[in-house]
Amino acid sequence: NAGVTQTPKFQVLKTGQSMTLQCAQDMNHEYMSWYRQDPGMGLRLIHYSVGAGITDQGEVPNGYNVSRSTTEDFPLRLLSAAPSQTSVYFCASSQTGDESRAFFGQGTRLTVV
Amino acid sequence: AQSVTQLGSHVSVSEGALVLLRCNYSSSVPPYLFWYVQYPNQGLQLLLKYTSAATLVKGINGFEAEFKKSETSFHLTKPSAHMSDAAEYFCAVSEGFQKLVFGTGTRLLVSP
Repeated sequence: NAGVTQTPKFQVLKTGQSMTLQCAQDMNHEYMSWYRQDPGMGLRLIHYSVGAGITDQGEVPNGYNVSRSTTEDFPLRLLSAAPSQTSVYFCASSQTGDESRAFFGQGTRLTVV
Repeated sequence: AQSVTQLGSHVSVSEGALVLLRCNYSSSVPPYLFWYVQYPNQGLQLLLKYTSAATLVKGINGFEAEFKKSETSFHLTKPSAHMSDAAEYFCAVSEGFQKLVFGTGTRLLVSP
């Protein structure tokens, strides 16, 4: 089925470990983004990309890296996980110029102990 | 800078009662406004959007919202709540280009 696919759905990390959250979309969307969702804080933008090879920082980029080597994929990397990064992460994509049609993945629940 | 304020982290209604979820926005330019719904363990789903056309916007599942510029509000309503409406609802604002700014969310509880 077409849409945004995030893997893994759940992950537990130890402090200091690294990992990559995967996000892939098969709708040929140019715009992709990563959000984190924390209780009482809604969703906050981490990084976004307006096309392959182009990324930019959102509201809360510290501790995260991204790259966009292809249109389909937009991985989010945690180089050295911290307990403050315990959160639910959502990837979204949309066609450039149509912000109302953002598609969200089902989320990755990350716990850092 | 744009922002969104959702009043009430939790709203409880009885089945069949009116649903009213409040959202106020701040934006320096005419905004685009959105309501999303999140069911447990799922991603966000767009309920409705305002993009400077009609001020009363109808969405899915019987929800609607009215854009009131004078009050900088975009409250979400539904005449009669259903048990299946229990979820978390997020208001969001955008000044154009997909950089959505979300409110903190309102959890709707529906009792029989």
